[in-house]
Amino acid sequence: GAGVSQSPRYKVTKRGQDVALRCDPISGHVSLYWYRQALGQGPEFLTYFNYEAQQDKSGLPNDRFSAERPEGSISTLTIQRTEQRDSAMYRCASSLARQETQYFGPGTRLLVL
Amino acid sequence: EDQVTQSPEALRLQEGESSSLNCSYTVSGLRGLFWYRQDPGKGPEFLFTLYSAGEEKEKERLKATLTKKESFLHITAPKPEDSATYLCAVQGAGISSGSARQLTFGSGTQLTVLP
Repeated sequence: GAGVSQSPRYKVTKRGQDVALRCDPISGHVSLYWYRQALGQGPEFLTYFNYEAQQDKSGLPNDRFSAERPEGSISTLTIQRTEQRDSAMYRCASSLARQETQYFGPGTRLLVL
Repeated sequence: EDQVTQSPEALRLQEGESSSLNCSYTVSGLRGLFWYRQDPGKGPEFLFTLYSAGEEKEKERLKATLTKKESFLHITAPKPEDSATYLCAVQGAGISSGSARQLTFGSGTQLTVLP
């Protein structure tokens, strides 16, 4: 079956612009996670949803970062007023409600100029 | 705060030369320890979940083991196609683990298997 999909795969933007990154989880997966991965590092937790409810946003770096999952399926991670330090690979993962295994998407590479 | 340390950072093996990757962790109440494989330009691909000390899981040339402080990923007679970065992650259950769902990853071991 289809895995986690993310779009766009690459995003180049200018400093100060807003960007929206999309995640489409595996069908039937009720939990959705956002991570950020720097080169040569493991993914770092940003936020987590169970159905449409944002359960934990403790990993979001600051208030320029927000996420939503209004219908409990597709999620959007929005970064406002982007800065060069926001450049990274943003990864989405999903899991079944009662299963802990998280399955990752291919990621969105964000480059802020 | 949960912590994961992987060693070595990089490992080069000859085809057929068996070895082990190490994942040391500290966690407040382990819910699970996960091994992922990551190829360049791709997302992490799930390999194993281990839940309690003494547990072992195998898949082809890979075997994962777990103690109370560390996990090992043993690679037997590796082939060039086993070349990848191997990531270890823990999911904690205690208050210091933050969200009971988030994974805390190590930095990975970059494995290269030469033909």
